[in-house]
Parts: sequence; C-alpha cells; structure tokens
Amino acid sequence: DAGVIQSPRHEVTEMGQEVTLRCKPISGHNSLFWYRQTMMRGLELLIYFNNNVPIDDSGMPEDRFSAKMPNASFSTLKIQPSEPRDSAVYFCASRIPGGTYNEQFFGPGTRLTVL
Amino acid sequence: GQQLNQSPQSMFIQEGEDVSMNCTSSSIFNTWLWYKQDPGEGPVLLIALYKAGELTSNGRLTAQFGITRKDSFLNISASIPSDVGIYFCAGISNSGYALNFGKGTSLLVTP
Repeated sequence: DAGVIQSPRHEVTEMGQEVTLRCKPISGHNSLFWYRQTMMRGLELLIYFNNNVPIDDSGMPEDRFSAKMPNASFSTLKIQPSEPRDSAVYFCASRIPGGTYNEQFFGPGTRLTVL
Repeated sequence: GQQLNQSPQSMFIQEGEDVSMNCTSSSIFNTWLWYKQDPGEGPVLLIALYKAGELTSNGRLTAQFGITRKDSFLNISASIPSDVGIYFCAGISNSGYALNFGKGTSLLVTP
C-alpha cells in the first residue's frame, strides 16, 4: 500500500508569496495531522482533522496559516503571506480509525524555504 | 503539549554494540511510540506500546512502557551502520490524540 503522500518535497519561495502544501493520507485512515519540524522546536502539531473536520487547530501559529480537508483523500496547508520564519519541514500524518490504536504514519515531508 | 525528556541527545558507537535510550514525561501517557527518522525523510514508526509494563520487540529493537506510565525505553541490540538516524519517542495522554515528541536521540554507528 502507498504511504502518506506529500507534495511538493521541496519548496523555495520569496517572502510574501503564498505557499500551498498538499497531502494524501493512507487510504482508509480517517484522521489527519499536520506537523512542523524545526531545529529549535522539534516536531509540533499544527492541526488535527478527524473525518475531514478540523478538531484542534490550536497549534496553527498565526492567521497566515490555514488548512483544509475537502475530502478523505486530500488536505492542504496554506501559508499566506509566507515569512522567512516559516522555513521548516512540514509533515502530514494519518491514523487508522478506531480509538484503540494511536499509531500515526508520516509522509516524507515538504521542506519549505522562505527567502 | 507535555514536555518529554529524551536522553541521551546523541550517541556515537561502534558497529555491534548495544544501544539504550529513554524518555520520561511529567505526565502519564496511555500510549508510547518510537520513531526513527532518516535525513530528508519523515519519521517511521518502529514500535507502539499500549500497556504499562509492556515489553515489545521488533527484530533487534526492544521497547518497554514504564510501570509508572511516565517513561519508556528503547534498546537496539548488535547495532549496524543502517541504524544511523534520529530516534524519537512520542507519547499520547489519555483520551488524547496529539503526539508529544521528545527532542530525539541522534545515533551514529561506525563500521
């Protein structure tokens, strides 16, 4: 089975530009998570969707960040306008349905550089 | 999220040696997960633990869920060069969903 798919793998943009990161979760998984990884702060949860509905967006740093999940197989994370401090690796992860198992499976990440 | 203390921060060992790393929390968790991250890739799940005291193996890897539910350790036996990477512990509190990550243990293995 294909794992979590993210695109693009690398993104270089200039400050002020809009950035859209994409994620396709593992088929059948009903929970989706967006994380950000930096050297200073490690891995941080940005937002969590369950059955396509945002449940917890308290980790989204600012209003410049927004995320959507229009259907069970696709999610986007958008930054508008982007700033240099947004440079990081952004990961998408998905989880199997059901309350017993909490295993999250990560995509390969998108390395974002904002100049 | 809760603070996780993961140690050691880095390890530099010779091939064939055993490795041990651990993670402690100030809060109780009901799930502990161990991940490995290679450069330029996402974290890959190694072992999941769901019960206090549980000891689980995956090949040369063994992990345990501490009795107090506030700690976990990961052992790697007979290390090989491909074990190189960053190992992360992650915990989930009761009724929670968010992974609280440790800062990672960077492992270097020399042939």
